[in-house]
Order: sequence, then structure tokens, then C-alpha cells
Amino acid sequence: QVQLVQSGAEVRKPGASVKVSCKASGYTFTNYYIHWVRQAPGQGPEWMGWMNPNSGGTNYPQKFQGRVTMTRDTSVITAFLELTWLTSDDTAVYYCARGGSASYYDALDIWGPGTMVTVSS
Amino acid sequence: QSALTQPRSVSGSPGQSVTISCTGTSSDVGTFNYVSWYRQHPGKAPKLMIYDVNKRPSGVPDRFSGSRSGNTASLTISGLQAEDEADYFCCSYAGTYTLLFGGGTKLTVL
Repeated sequence: QVQLVQSGAEVRKPGASVKVSCKASGYTFTNYYIHWVRQAPGQGPEWMGWMNPNSGGTNYPQKFQGRVTMTRDTSVITAFLELTWLTSDDTAVYYCARGGSASYYDALDIWGPGTMVTVSS
Repeated sequence: QSALTQPRSVSGSPGQSVTISCTGTSSDVGTFNYVSWYRQHPGKAPKLMIYDVNKRPSGVPDRFSGSRSGNTASLTISGLQAEDEADYFCCSYAGTYTLLFGGGTKLTVL
């Protein structure tokens, strides 16, 4: 069964960092892109970037450049999202999702359950 | 880049058809054949319903169909069922390695 399992909810103070994990199972981890998408309460989703688990290559939209880092550890078939300099605007559910096997622009066919990140003083 | 534009809500009665629009620009929806649609029930992760504008993943009923005209993509759900009540959002490749999502549409089954 193909699935992505994410780490648990996090609470951080403004200015802190958070690192969310996403463990893959049921498929060859290095063969598919991993995307991260966040969704603030009552809002639509916001794409945060993709990572190629094979090469480690990444791409982030300008909004998050300098503040987001996507990495992976192939030995434990897990992807990571780290977001720094948190503000209250970063309070959201963070999802990892599986992308295409050949292209970063393919649809996201498997999603993790989401990780709630709350930023509050 | 601005989010793709979707109506905030649509509604329909069981058995009817509804269409949800997703308007972008000639730099995203109007150019690339990489528009996808997702359904999200409250508190759940999104589920892929349509990809590449009009293709259905295995297991998605043929009541769901996708199309595009110019810079606007559409998701049509025919034979509405109670389980279709959910949030739906679109996504498009926007060039330069980026994806763009819509703001989401809440579908109410009356």
C-alpha cells in the first residue's frame, strides 16, 4: 500500500524553526518527486516546492526562498521540510505529497495526512 | 504569481450536475496541459480526482470529468451524491518549475 506518514503536530514561538518529516512506504522512494503544500485554516492550499529524492535537487517559489529547506534521508526513506523564522502567518497544516516519476509538473497522487504547525507566543 | 481563481461555493441537488471553474492566465492554465483537481473532505488530506486536464486516476468514478477552454479549466460532477460534498481545488503547472493552486470551492449537496 502506497502511503506517506508524517510527523506529529508542532507548536513553535515566533522566530523559531520547525522540521516536519514524511516517511514513504509501498513504492520506490527515489523514483518520485516529493512536494510540500501547506493550508492555513480556512484557506486554499499553497505550494511550497518540490524535491527530487534521487538527486536531492529542489525548487522553491520565491516567497519561501531563504526560509525553506527540503531534504531527504534515503536510508530511512524519509523526506523533510524545514521552515525557519516562523511567524503567525506560518500557522497551517503542512502536507507532503508524491509527484510524478519523471516530471516535477505531474499531479500529486498520494498525500500524507498532514502535520499541524502552530506558531504562537 | 496569484492563485488560480475559483468560485467560493457551488451547490446542487442529488442527481444533478455541477461545474466548478478554475481561471488562470495564458502563463499557466491556458498553456500547459498539467491541470489537476483535488477533493478534500473536512479534516482529511486531498485526493486526486483529475490530472492532465481531463484524465481520471484509477478508481475515480466517471461522474467526474475535466475540461479546459482558454485560460479556464473546469471540473464537472454529474449524478451528484452526498459523498461529493467537500472542498475542491485546482492546480496548474505555471512554468519555471512551479505549481499554482486555486483558492478552493466548497460544494454543497442540497
